[in-house]
Amino acid sequence: AQSVTQPDIHITVSEGASLELRCNYSYGATPYLFWYVQSPGQGLQLLLKYFSGDTLVQGIKGFEAEFKRSQSSFNLRKPSVHWSDAAEYFCAVGAPGTGTASKLTFGTGTRLQVTL
Amino acid sequence: DGGITQSPKYLFRKEGQNVTLSCEQNLNHDAMYWYRQDPGQGLRLIYYSQIVNDFQKGDIAEGYSVSREKKESFPLTVTSAQKNPTAFYLCASSLMGGTEQFFGPGTRLTVL
Repeated sequence: AQSVTQPDIHITVSEGASLELRCNYSYGATPYLFWYVQSPGQGLQLLLKYFSGDTLVQGIKGFEAEFKRSQSSFNLRKPSVHWSDAAEYFCAVGAPGTGTASKLTFGTGTRLQVTL
Repeated sequence: DGGITQSPKYLFRKEGQNVTLSCEQNLNHDAMYWYRQDPGQGLRLIYYSQIVNDFQKGDIAEGYSVSREKKESFPLTVTSAQKNPTAFYLCASSLMGGTEQFFGPGTRLTVL
């Protein structure tokens, strides 16, 4: 069974500082990987996704993530954090599609706080 | 605009009552999903549906029921058998075989 671990429950960074959120997954083959962001009381918005190809993936809002097969990781990065980035971030893993619905497994999330 | 709508945003019910949460999408997606979110536990899959009149249990289906009579709609009923129903409920949809899921704004259910 697939699983996702986000080891950091809560991270605080200063505005303008760099950010890295960690995500480790467990899956038998190369999975589909996602990062979603959630503002308080809202739904989830997709930041970026990895299916195949280039292991460095660019997303919206200046985020990027790197797939490292040897480490089973898909860490999210941003070079300079803005106060509006404060939110909860979820990593998710899915099995490559076989024509059926795409079941995703989510990590428990990392809450990002940005100090001014 | 295409998207997913969930209603109501906030829902209060007395213990022992069944309650139905609405989810509608106009993205022409085949698959729809219901998740439950609790603090510190991420999202857990309750039910999902790949086509009309068909649905499968997710990881935490006990105490919940769903129907899929129309492609656009996937309502979730929280029954009195659900022991701890107070939570934030998220509906999502995706294309068949497509793994990207699009989420609605959520419904916060509080059972008093």
